Amino acid sequence: DTAVSQTPKYLVTQMGNDKSIKCEQNLGHDTMYWYKQDSKKFLKIMFSYNNKELIINETVPNRFSPKSPDKAHLNLHINSLELGDSAVYFCASSHGQDKRDTQYFGPGTRLTVL
Amino acid sequence: RKEVEQDPGPFNVPEGATVAFNCTYSNSASQSFFWYRQDCRKEPKLLMSVYSSGNEDGRFTAQLNRASQYISLLIRDSKLSDSATYLCVVKSRSGGSNYKLTFGKGTLLTVNP
Repeated sequence: DTAVSQTPKYLVTQMGNDKSIKCEQNLGHDTMYWYKQDSKKFLKIMFSYNNKELIINETVPNRFSPKSPDKAHLNLHINSLELGDSAVYFCASSHGQDKRDTQYFGPGTRLTVL
Repeated sequence: RKEVEQDPGPFNVPEGATVAFNCTYSNSASQSFFWYRQDCRKEPKLLMSVYSSGNEDGRFTAQLNRASQYISLLIRDSKLSDSATYLCVVKSRSGGSNYKLTFGKGTLLTVNP
């Protein structure tokens, strides 16, 4: 069974479109995250949710809107896509927010904006 | 100065070699430290946590020096399957009781037959 799953795995779209990426975890974790890994391979946190509440928002453009319908799901909606949004987006989850909690990552969604 | 800096690499070593990766971090209040491994076009996976006393897991040894804000990873007897990018990761507070992970850029290791 996949612990953290994301859909779609690949997403190719035109500039200006709106798209969503979905994430689900079956680990019973309370905390979920979205990360962006750009072409230079830096992996940076975008958002974190704990029990459906936003707890971290790392100066991400407001075109990006995360939504957590329940604590097992954290979706990412992106409006008015730009070329610079092309990257791999990873979802992750952890038991909680303790400093020793391990984060488990999903397989990633490779977004290409043309 | 970047929050987490790693050896730029890449490292190319023969099977059986010992290889060491270094990492420094800028936030002296950082709480926890990890090494993650990322295979090409895959997600990062936790390799090991790093403790002040140093810790070992088979062929892998991690060390932390809080005074120098320095983390290291030593791989002994390298295997072909060790080929991957190794990410130094630091956990620090992000407002209130929340924590966030900050990743280094990663060091690419290729183990050759």
